[in-house]
Amino acid sequence: DGGITQSPKYLFRKEGQNVTLSCEQNLNHDAMYWYRQDPGQGLRLIYYSQIVNDFQKGDIAEGYSVSREKKESFPLTVTSAQKNPTAFYLCASRDLRRGANNEQFFGPGTRLTVL
Amino acid sequence: DQQVKQNSPSLSVQEGRISILNCDYTNSMFDYFLWYKKYPAEGPTFLISISSIKDKNEDGRFTVFLNKSAKHLSLHIVPSQPGDSAVYFCAASAYSGGGADGLTFGKGTHLIIQP
Repeated sequence: DGGITQSPKYLFRKEGQNVTLSCEQNLNHDAMYWYRQDPGQGLRLIYYSQIVNDFQKGDIAEGYSVSREKKESFPLTVTSAQKNPTAFYLCASRDLRRGANNEQFFGPGTRLTVL
Repeated sequence: DQQVKQNSPSLSVQEGRISILNCDYTNSMFDYFLWYKKYPAEGPTFLISISSIKDKNEDGRFTVFLNKSAKHLSLHIVPSQPGDSAVYFCAASAYSGGGADGLTFGKGTHLIIQP
């Protein structure tokens, strides 16, 4: 059963602590993405990766870091430098092969609350 | 500066009638547009997409219309069903360059289907 998994569903952290959100996909997609959603807002792009060991900043990368050591995994670290880390975080992937559909597939999301 | 705008935060439609959700964009480089459906605390689900070389794409009850000169697209749902009640996001990207760029989302329209 192919798909994208994000864990945990809910995460609580104290202010000043770094926290890493996991994202795993078994769709064999090359591209992976991290978005953030705030109440009443659309999704905003944090980072994306087109290939292993390479990633690009999105619109709101400050205070976040990522790694792409394996094709299936794209973890996001929310650092203490992120001023408003409480949000709903969504991971997505996309098939870049020629002729593939262009939609991104999303995981179920992780709600991070910083106390 | 919002590049993708959904000016109606909410829309109420009677069951069985047509739902029309609107989206405007400002970036002329956008050449691929997608609609996603989202429930609270879940990831968005892809509904339908359209390339800029087309002006209409249909999939079952869902039809997307694109007016490039007006930089406007709309999603039509006919007939509307109670299960269609959700937040609908319009998203855009410039895929013709062949890259893996992320999507730019509108803020969403909350569709409420009334019995």
